[in-house]
Amino acid sequence: QQQVRQSPQSLTVWEGGTTVLTCSYEDSTFNYFPWYQQFPGEGPALLISILSVSDKKEDGRFTTFFNKREKKLSLHIIDSQPGDSATYFCAASLNNAGAKLTFGGGTRLTVRP
Amino acid sequence: EAAVTQSPRNKVTVTGGNVTLSCRQTNSHNYMYWYRQDTGHGLRLIHYSYGAGNLQIGDVPDGYKATRTTQEDFFLLLELASPSQTSLYFCASSEGQGASDYTFGSGTRLLVI
Repeated sequence: QQQVRQSPQSLTVWEGGTTVLTCSYEDSTFNYFPWYQQFPGEGPALLISILSVSDKKEDGRFTTFFNKREKKLSLHIIDSQPGDSATYFCAASLNNAGAKLTFGGGTRLTVRP
Repeated sequence: EAAVTQSPRNKVTVTGGNVTLSCRQTNSHNYMYWYRQDTGHGLRLIHYSYGAGNLQIGDVPDGYKATRTTQEDFFLLLELASPSQTSLYFCASSEGQGASDYTFGSGTRLLVI
């Protein structure tokens, strides 16, 4: 059983549009939620993260929202650019020493000019 | 610059063959991880370690062994490779203290024929 589910599996948007990726999780004890961005031929890299004490975190064009009651989170990318084309992974873990991340299945985003 | 370096970048082996994937980190991180990445499954944890000589079992350990020889070096061993182990393998490191960022290597693409 997948503990972290991501949707959609793939997504195409036009340059300048808003991208919305979503994620849900099973374990209510999870309290740390990072998003990783992966370009072809590279390993994933941390994009943005949020702790369960917050419901929103913003970093430039990227914003992540967290809904504790529904056990859902989302990543919004405004003014999407072709350079944002990548695979995005949400992940979840406990916020304590040695906690390991559980990753979602990933969303492959293509931004067309 | 702190980094995670994996070798080889690509590997082809036959069914039943013996394969060792190598990972070295220069981040002075305590924790190291081996993940496999498959379409639709995202990143799945095989084994991880919190220090030299330590090994912890991940979520998909069957068919894999691992060894952490030093703070810097973590190896993944496939002693009887099977086609189901054809995948993209990533090594990562983290401080392991609470909500800490993972630093990933560039991956090893393994094909078992």
